[in-house]
Amino acid sequence: KQEVTQIPAALSVPEGENLVLNCSFTDSAIYNLQWFRQDPGKGLTSLLLIQSSQREQTSGRLNASLDKSSGRSTLYIAASQPGDSATYLCAVRMDTGRRALTFGSGTRLQVQP
Amino acid sequence: GAVVSQHPSWVICKSGTSVKIECRSLDFQATTMFWYRQFPKQSLMLMATSNEGSKATYEQGVEKDKFLINHASLTLSTLTVTSAHPEDSSFYICSAMPRGFSYNEQFFGPGTRLTVL
Repeated sequence: KQEVTQIPAALSVPEGENLVLNCSFTDSAIYNLQWFRQDPGKGLTSLLLIQSSQREQTSGRLNASLDKSSGRSTLYIAASQPGDSATYLCAVRMDTGRRALTFGSGTRLQVQP
Repeated sequence: GAVVSQHPSWVICKSGTSVKIECRSLDFQATTMFWYRQFPKQSLMLMATSNEGSKATYEQGVEKDKFLINHASLTLSTLTVTSAHPEDSSFYICSAMPRGFSYNEQFFGPGTRLTVL
């Protein structure tokens, strides 16, 4: 059974810092990995999707990397802003069978102005 | 494009009543929709996979007689929480997979917050 772990569970940083969020998964036979943002009481906003054959994806100040063989992904946020404060969720889709996403427990980020 | 809506966005009901939540794909057809549940400060947990025209597949531990799922068309799936109890209070989120796509991406609805008194 796939398990997804995110570290740290919570993070508070001053504005302007670069930061890294970590995600690990136990079964490397994934089809893709996706990072989401969730604001309190809201739904999910997709940030980046990395196919299993890719090593990284970039969007603006966000960069996500994937090391499939070691079961790890990182989300790098450059020059953090207070508006980045949210919970960040990592999710994986398996290569075969179940098409639903398996989510990590998330990292709650607070960027202090 | 690829917009998924949910209705209602929030609902408060008395214990013992049934509540229906709708999930619609607004600009695409979805042969498969997924229902997730999220308790406070926890992550999303898959409840069931809904396939158009067939019975839903429930995850272990999810009572199919309590959480009724109907996927009657390519743009609509409904989740009915029957005889709701306070422990069913949660945030319910659906996602839809576009018809004809590979397993590339799912699109999520904004969620429905259910509070059972």
